[in-house]
Amino acid sequence: EDQVTQSPEALRLQEGESSSLNCSYTVSGLRGLFWYRQDPGKGPEFLFTLYSAGEEKEKERLKATLTKKESFLHITAPKPEDSATYLCAVQAWGGYQKVTFGIGTKLQVIP
Amino acid sequence: EAQVTQNPRYLITVTGKKLTVTCSQNMNHEYMSWYRQDPGLGLRQIYYSMNVEVTDKGDVPEGYKVSRKEKRNFPLILESPSPNQTSLYFCASSSVSGGSYNEQFFGPGTRLTVL
Repeated sequence: EDQVTQSPEALRLQEGESSSLNCSYTVSGLRGLFWYRQDPGKGPEFLFTLYSAGEEKEKERLKATLTKKESFLHITAPKPEDSATYLCAVQAWGGYQKVTFGIGTKLQVIP
Repeated sequence: EAQVTQNPRYLITVTGKKLTVTCSQNMNHEYMSWYRQDPGLGLRQIYYSMNVEVTDKGDVPEGYKVSRKEKRNFPLILESPSPNQTSLYFCASSSVSGGSYNEQFFGPGTRLTVL
């Protein structure tokens, strides 16, 4: 069974204080790992897809990396508007199109 | 504007009263999916569809039905709702490549309360 564990569950940062969120996964052959951002009361919004170990993607203050067992979302010099819950999801190879999400990391950036 | 729409956004109902939550996308996506989100449990997949007339169960399909008669619509049906189906529901859609879905676009959510 595919599993996704995100840590920490919650993270409070001062504005400008860089940090990383972790997503550990167990999947029978990874096709893709997705990162989403979710604001309170809204649907998740796509950030990145990573397909193979060693891959990195960046968008503004966010950088996602992937190894064979985990992914990191690095946040550099965060701003209050980066406050949100960040979700990780994995997709396995095969004809089965199931999606497995982690519970998420709730990030709060204090001015 | 590319979007996924859901209706209603909020619904309070009583146990056993059949209801349907509609979902529609305007991006010509093949893949559509329904999720429920509960505190401490995260997003869990209910049903998904790879194309018209092709649907399959996700992790928590019990008590739900879906249909995909048109590419743009994917309604979620609760034949006899129970209080444990009180949750926040999201519909999502995605293009397909290489036989699998890509990043998903989510709707705004439907908050359902079953009394």
